[in-house]
Amino acid sequence: QVQLVQSGAEVKRAGASVKVSCRASGYTFSHYYIHWIRQAPGQGLEWVGWINPQSGGSTSAQKFQGRVTMTRDTSISTAYMELRSLRSDDTAVYFCARAVLAEQQSDFWGQGTRVTVSS
Amino acid sequence: DTLMTQSPSSLSASVGDRVTITCRASHPIIKYLHWYQHKPGKAPKLLIYAASTLQSGVPSRFSGSGSGTDFTLTIDSLQPDDFATYYCQQCYNAPFTFGPGTKVDIK
Repeated sequence: QVQLVQSGAEVKRAGASVKVSCRASGYTFSHYYIHWIRQAPGQGLEWVGWINPQSGGSTSAQKFQGRVTMTRDTSISTAYMELRSLRSDDTAVYFCARAVLAEQQSDFWGQGTRVTVSS
Repeated sequence: DTLMTQSPSSLSASVGDRVTITCRASHPIIKYLHWYQHKPGKAPKLLIYAASTLQSGVPSRFSGSGSGTDFTLTIDSLQPDDFATYYCQQCYNAPFTFGPGTKVDIK
């Protein structure tokens, strides 16, 4: 069965970096994009970006450009999202999700990783 | 960026009610519109993709319609498990923006 398992909760100081992993199983990793989405406390869902596991190409929302890097290791079917220069408003639950190629709907999601940024 | 709006932002309904949520895109997005259900502490769940296609395993009381800029999610005969927040998302133009959500709670 399809599963996306994310790394555990992180507590970071402002200005630090965090790297969240997302291990996929139950399907061919390179055949689906991985999207990253976050939800800050009391807020809605916010799209961070995506990575094409086959090519390694990625796109992020403009507000994260320069601070976010999305990578993958196809040998272990794992995607990563690194966010640098953390601020308090980066405190959120970060989700990875598998996206179907044609319409990019996210049909399977990871369990979420809580990232807390303290000042 | 394509701005997504939803209405209402929240609603109170009873079990058995028919509920309709609308989503509007600031630019035409053809049918690249998806609906998700989200409950606290859980991952969002895909309900409808490409505006009107029911995701496998999702009850048939959920339906979607629309194209271009205006879309609708309908829940026929609301069930206790349906009380949650619902989000639309466009995947036509990156960034793939979400609507602000519609919270459905018990009347």
